[in-house]
Amino acid sequence: SQQGEEDPQALSIQEGENATMNCSYKTSINNLQWYRQNSGRGLVHLILIRSNEREKHSGRLRVTLDTSKKSSSLLITASRAADTASYFCATDAWAGGTSYGKLTFGQGTILTVHP
Amino acid sequence: GAGVSQSPSNKVTEKGKDVELRCDPISGHTALYWYRQRLGQGLEFLIYFQGNSAPDKSGLPSDRFSAERTGESVSTLTIQRTQQEDSAVYLCASGTRGYNEQFFGPGTRLTVL
Repeated sequence: SQQGEEDPQALSIQEGENATMNCSYKTSINNLQWYRQNSGRGLVHLILIRSNEREKHSGRLRVTLDTSKKSSSLLITASRAADTASYFCATDAWAGGTSYGKLTFGQGTILTVHP
Repeated sequence: GAGVSQSPSNKVTEKGKDVELRCDPISGHTALYWYRQRLGQGLEFLIYFQGNSAPDKSGLPSDRFSAERTGESVSTLTIQRTQQEDSAVYLCASGTRGYNEQFFGPGTRLTVL
């Protein structure tokens, strides 16, 4: 099974609404990252949150991390049609006092924002 | 260019042929990754190069798949005796050790007829 699993698999909202996507993982992590993918290609890094951080903001994006529950959420506020994309979480496992540096991606959430 | 580039962008081949996919990482990035993404699916890790360390090949699905990287530069992913189930987009990403953000190329869409 995937280290990172997103929920929901698909989300459909109206422009201006907020979109929340969740990610759960299984092992200890060094950091968790969110990526966006448009049109089946071109993944773009959105935000990285480290294991000692609980919340991080970047523009209209807000990411939270709960290491006790091994979960993260990505909130997109005031969504726009251009936010329509697939969103993936990726985790960087932590073991033996170091980061292996290998990201494991989840299956993604497909977000559709209707104008 | 400043980003990760991949070639070809599209490749159509016949079952049983060999194909070679190329990735040019961002200059100075020591880490390079190959992923496979089937239609409507997430990313499937294939192989990871970090500097001069032995590559992590744990994601390669069969011995028909191999990859090479010369130093910290270009990488090639080779698929021998292609099968229809190999049809997918093959994505390459590079990054710096420690920070771990990955920068992705546009991918190569492989279609095996």
